[in-house]
Amino acid sequence: KAGVTQTPRYLIKTRGQQVTLSCSPISGHRSVSWYQQTPGQGLQFLFEYFSETQRNKGNFPGRFSGRQFSNSRSEMNVSTLELGDSALYLCASSLGEAPGETQYFGPGTRLLVL
Amino acid sequence: EDQVTQSPEALRLQEGESSSLNCSYTVSGLRGLFWYRQDPGKGPEFLFTLYSAGEEKEKERLKATLTKKESFLHITAPKPEDSATYLCAAVVYGNNRLAFGKGNQVVVIP
Repeated sequence: KAGVTQTPRYLIKTRGQQVTLSCSPISGHRSVSWYQQTPGQGLQFLFEYFSETQRNKGNFPGRFSGRQFSNSRSEMNVSTLELGDSALYLCASSLGEAPGETQYFGPGTRLLVL
Repeated sequence: EDQVTQSPEALRLQEGESSSLNCSYTVSGLRGLFWYRQDPGKGPEFLFTLYSAGEEKEKERLKATLTKKESFLHITAPKPEDSATYLCAAVVYGNNRLAFGKGNQVVVIP
């Protein structure tokens, strides 16, 4: 079974630009969660999507948004990029049927904001 | 606020020298405690899920245990390929978000 895939793997943007990251979950998984990983803050939860609806949201500004499509693929968007948005963005998928299910992570998208 | 704390932050071990990593959690209503392994530049790789105090799980040289306040990841006779950052995360009832600790960075020296 193919794992979670994320594209692109690397991105370089400048301040003020916007960026869209994509995540394809494991086949059959309906929940996709997004996390931001930085050296200082570690892994922090951004949001979770299930059946095309945002089910949970972390404590990030509104510049961070996401969506999920009918095939469970998900995208996240960051608008008006700031230097502090440089991070590894990880998505994780799970069946989504109950809290506490195992979440499987993709390889991440490394975003550098200059 | 849900909190997960891992110690020690960094650990250097000689090959074959067993040790334990600690993950203490302060959460309201633990639904599951997860351990992941992360290699540099890669996404976290799932290792174990523990759901109730007293539960233990093993995989090769790794063994995870859970009490009401903390979890331990025991590494028995480690090899250099066990070098990685080990991440602990908690999920509470009512949502599916993983609350992560900062990780235990383990280096195993041949």
